[in-house]
Amino acid sequence: SYVLTQPPSVSVAPGQTARITCGGNNVGSKSVHWYQQKPGQAPVLVVYDDSDRPSGIPERFSGSTSGNTATLTISRVEAGDEADYYCQVWNSRSDHVVFGGGTKLTVL
Amino acid sequence: QVQLQESGPGLVRPSETLSLTCTVSGGSISSYFWTWIRQSPGEGLEWIGYIYYSGSTNYNPSLKSRVTISVDTSKNQFSLKLGSVTAADTAVYYCARTESSDDAFDIWGQGTLVTVSS
Repeated sequence: SYVLTQPPSVSVAPGQTARITCGGNNVGSKSVHWYQQKPGQAPVLVVYDDSDRPSGIPERFSGSTSGNTATLTISRVEAGDEADYYCQVWNSRSDHVVFGGGTKLTVL
Repeated sequence: QVQLQESGPGLVRPSETLSLTCTVSGGSISSYFWTWIRQSPGEGLEWIGYIYYSGSTNYNPSLKSRVTISVDTSKNQFSLKLGSVTAADTAVYYCARTESSDDAFDIWGQGTLVTVSS
């Protein structure tokens, strides 16, 4: 089965740039979506189709993919960005949804 | 705007069937894929399966033998049944919407906690 691998945690100081990776076999050929989940809340879509932002999501959130890695980049990190972040793809070979294990972003 | 709301028992006995309903408000259930996703306490997100408004389904193979997802377009609702539950099925269950099988989940319900315990 297809596996997406994320680092368990990433830490960054306010105002700096956070990069959260999502590794998977040839993930660059798939559409990667990213979700932000704060404690006790439902996930919120922050990036879809690798690099597009839904309405209302700040431009500070951006996404990219290359080869076997997708990356969510959060520029000028704020305390309010502290959350868990999940990547997700559709595995067309098995016809199933796959989530990464999630990354906890800590703002120092 | 479209909103999703999960409903159902918060406590289910082991070996029984978990049943949840997701009500779609502010829009039609037609022309979308409707999905159930769960999250065990302290864990990540797990896709359970989806149903297209026409009734076609697709399930996570790890749960397929126990899962049924159905849709009632007249009520703008879709439902989840998970049979033979154990404590491992204790989780927050979310319903979500996507426009196609490989699109993102753009709208989520708030989630409902289901505890499996005697």
